[in-house]
Amino acid sequence: EAQVTQNPRYLITVTGKKLTVTCSQNMNHEYMSWYRQDPGLGLRQIYYSMNVEVTDKGDVPEGYKVSRKEKRNFPLILESPSPNQTSLYFCASSRGTGGNEQFFGPGTRLTVL
Amino acid sequence: QKEVEQNSGPLSVPEGAIASLNCTYSDRGSQSFFWYRQYSGKSPELIMSIYSNGDKEDGRFTAQLNKASQYVSLLIRDSQPSDSATYLCAVNIRYGQNFVFGPGTRLSVLP
Repeated sequence: EAQVTQNPRYLITVTGKKLTVTCSQNMNHEYMSWYRQDPGLGLRQIYYSMNVEVTDKGDVPEGYKVSRKEKRNFPLILESPSPNQTSLYFCASSRGTGGNEQFFGPGTRLTVL
Repeated sequence: QKEVEQNSGPLSVPEGAIASLNCTYSDRGSQSFFWYRQYSGKSPELIMSIYSNGDKEDGRFTAQLNKASQYVSLLIRDSQPSDSATYLCAVNIRYGQNFVFGPGTRLSVLP
């Protein structure tokens, strides 16, 4: 089954404790992206990647890191999480280098205390 | 000015009616336009994509794009209670690069 998977689905952590949210897709998509969704603010793009070793900032990259060492994986790293990073996070992928339909993962609900 | 704007709603329509959802965007260089549906607590799922001016129909859904007016809309005919969700307009602002989503319009279809 073609899908985007994210882990963990739920995470409660404390300020300053480094964490990684994994994202994997099995559709051989070149383009992958991370979003956060907050009430009243909608989906905002954090980082995106147009291919292996090619990443770029979206609209809200502060406090986040990403890497794209393999085509299928695009982990999101929070080096020192803060309470304002409490949010619902979605990973998405699409074929090509952008401009096409994105397929979304199930989401990761993160709470930073 | 926000790059992609939508009425937040809620938009309430009776079952069987036509629901009309609107979206405006600010970047004239935008290339691709998408409508996603998102149920509460779930991930967005694609309803329609549209790339050129005019109408595009798929079942009960019709997307309309007017690049001169920087306007894209989604019509849902014969609305069903199962259509009750938040509808997100997404625009590919710079081809091959980042996407911008509108804040979403909450639609409620009343039985």
